[in-house]
Amino acid sequence: GQQVMQIPQYQHVQEGEDFTTYCNSSTTLSNIQWYKQRPGGHPVFLIQLVKSGEVKKQKRLTFQFGEAKKNSSLHITATQTTDVGTYFCAGLGYNNNDMRFGAGTRLTVKP
Amino acid sequence: NAGVTQTPKFQVLKTGQSMTLQCAQDMNHNSMYWYRQDPGMGLRLIYYSASEGTTDKGEVPNGYNVSRLNKREFSLRLESAAPSQTSVYFCASSEMSLLGSPLHFGNGTRLTVT
Repeated sequence: GQQVMQIPQYQHVQEGEDFTTYCNSSTTLSNIQWYKQRPGGHPVFLIQLVKSGEVKKQKRLTFQFGEAKKNSSLHITATQTTDVGTYFCAGLGYNNNDMRFGAGTRLTVKP
Repeated sequence: NAGVTQTPKFQVLKTGQSMTLQCAQDMNHNSMYWYRQDPGMGLRLIYYSASEGTTDKGEVPNGYNVSRLNKREFSLRLESAAPSQTSVYFCASSEMSLLGSPLHFGNGTRLTVT
């Protein structure tokens, strides 16, 4: 079945540094979603990417969907302590009943 | 609006005991889901209900049953709990009747099976 790999598993940065997490699928995806989960909280939807090569921005966050629709990335510019949490990607296969989450990247930010 | 409400928040069971996790949403969403979250493994889909009256297995359905009681409520039942079912369980809902719609999650139920 479809597998979604996410790297790195952990990332510790100094406040103000940039951060990137990568998501790779074993199969071509219909779309990909990104979620953020604060410590002790629940996942919160950030964005959905559908088109090949799509790039979307939300303030300091930039999301990309690869040309082959098998990979995606989330880049945070100039991290802040409020960015702390675990970031998950979730990829939907073309049969529309198999959306798989990556294992997540846990981001910690040192003030 | 409360969004997605899950009860209980915490539960400790002994091996072999049964329990039902409750979930309700007030967003008039068509689809509802149950996920489990284990360290280092992300979220895995247990069961989902694309619309009222239908349920389907997800990635890890063994040991669980579900009921879509009405459009608002979707319950998850463990008939005979096992230590491997120790996890955090999240209920979620989405507007559209297809996986791939943005998910709205509840606050989770932390279950420990001893």
